[in-house]
Amino acid sequence: GAGVSQSPSNKVTEKGKDVELRCDPISGHTALYWYRQSLGQGLEFLIYFQGNSAPDKSGLPSDRFSAERTGGSVSTLTIQRTQQEDSAVYLCASRPTGLAGGPGRNEQFFGPGTRLTVL
Amino acid sequence: AQSVTQLGSHVSVSEGALVLLRCNYSSSVPPYLFWYVQYPNQGLQLLLKYTSAATLVKGINGFEAEFKKSETSFHLTKPSAHMSDAAEYFCAVRHSFGNEKLTFGTGTRLTIIP
Repeated sequence: GAGVSQSPSNKVTEKGKDVELRCDPISGHTALYWYRQSLGQGLEFLIYFQGNSAPDKSGLPSDRFSAERTGGSVSTLTIQRTQQEDSAVYLCASRPTGLAGGPGRNEQFFGPGTRLTVL
Repeated sequence: AQSVTQLGSHVSVSEGALVLLRCNYSSSVPPYLFWYVQYPNQGLQLLLKYTSAATLVKGINGFEAEFKKSETSFHLTKPSAHMSDAAEYFCAVRHSFGNEKLTFGTGTRLTIIP
């Protein structure tokens, strides 16, 4: 597709279960970001990938959160032993980089998000 | 550290009236600033961006913003509000060259009164 896609769009889980959230960035975008949007905390940065490596993981709230990216493309955000405070919308964004990125290289393109509800 | 402050979590304007959404920033590096819009149950869409070129930036849907270094502001305006402008608006500042992660303001929900 032309844009960033995320799956699932909605996820309801029970406290203590693990969840995986998927992000498919725009083809060719080497930078990928995860953010979380919640009522209490607003929009928060979680992690940044450049290619398959994550030079900035400073926003991950606890060691229950992890993310990986393979083939410089798809990324998965995993939350282990989910807690009710993990309930939020998880947004993924991708960005072209380098001169090849053109004038859009400073712009992050956001996906529609995954709404996670932990019961 | 970079931060943005959006004054007014809720703004209501009449259809056809001026829209003014306020954003002030703090940045230890030359700031790149962004306004995003979020419609209900949708992701974020870029309205406009300032990346150190022209200080008056025009975006989509008739919105524009002016970068004022002396006031550390990047307020969003639109001369005449439409019903379709009802949404939540976020101001953001990039972290640094290369990383480019965004720090967002708390958002302003815009309501248009018919």
